[in-house]
Amino acid sequence: ETGVTQTPRHLVMGMTNKKSLKCEQHLGHNAMYWYKQSAKKPLELMFVYNFKEQTENNSVPSRFSPECPNSSHLFLHLHTLQPEDSALYLCASRRLAGEADTQYFGPGTRLTVL
Amino acid sequence: GQNIDQPTEMTATEGAIVQINCTYQTSGFNGLFWYQQHAGEAPTFLSYNVLDGLEEKGRFSSFLSRSKGYSYLLLKELQMKDSASYLCAAMDSNYQLIWGAGTKLIIKP
Repeated sequence: ETGVTQTPRHLVMGMTNKKSLKCEQHLGHNAMYWYKQSAKKPLELMFVYNFKEQTENNSVPSRFSPECPNSSHLFLHLHTLQPEDSALYLCASRRLAGEADTQYFGPGTRLTVL
Repeated sequence: GQNIDQPTEMTATEGAIVQINCTYQTSGFNGLFWYQQHAGEAPTFLSYNVLDGLEEKGRFSSFLSRSKGYSYLLLKELQMKDSASYLCAAMDSNYQLIWGAGTKLIIKP
C-alpha cells in the first residue's frame, strides 16, 4: 500500500463507450501524474498537475481528458478510445518541494479496448 | 533527445548476485531512480542517486557515475521474491522522470 489508490483495477470497454479512471492519494502531495504503461515500453508520461493546475500535456490525444478537482484526486475521462489504447494506466503523486522527491504510484488500471 | 537504456531481460540464480545496468541521456540531470515492479502491481521506489558513488540499502545497492551517464542496481543474496521488473528513470532539469523500458529479472532456484 503506497497511499495512492486507483479504481477500477480492470476495465474493458468498447470503442464507443465513455468511462472514467479515478486516482486518490492520501499522502498530502501536491503533484499528480498520469502514465501509460504498455508491454516492453517505457512509461509514457501523459499529464502532470501541480497544485491542481495542469502543467504538462505530453501530446496526448483528445480522447483522453484529465480532471484534477483538488490536490488529492485525479481523473482520466475516456471516450471513443482505440484498441491501441489498451494498456496499464498508472497514477502517481509526489511532494513538490523544489527538489527531486520520489513519485509514489498507484496499482494501476488495466484497460482493454475492444 | 532524452533516452534511457537498460537490458530487456536477465536471468539469475537464487542466492547469487546480479547487476542491472542503465545508461541515460537527459536534458539536465537531477538524479537517477530505481523502481521495482512486480507483475500486475505498482512500481515501488528502491533507490535514488544524485551524487557519484555507491548507495547501499540492505541487499540492494545502487551506483551512479554522472560523467559516464551510467548507473547500476546490484542485488545480492537473490531471493525468489526478487523476480520482478526493475525500472531505471533519470530526472531531467524540469524534474520530470525519463523512464527506461524496464529489465525483467527472472530468478531460478
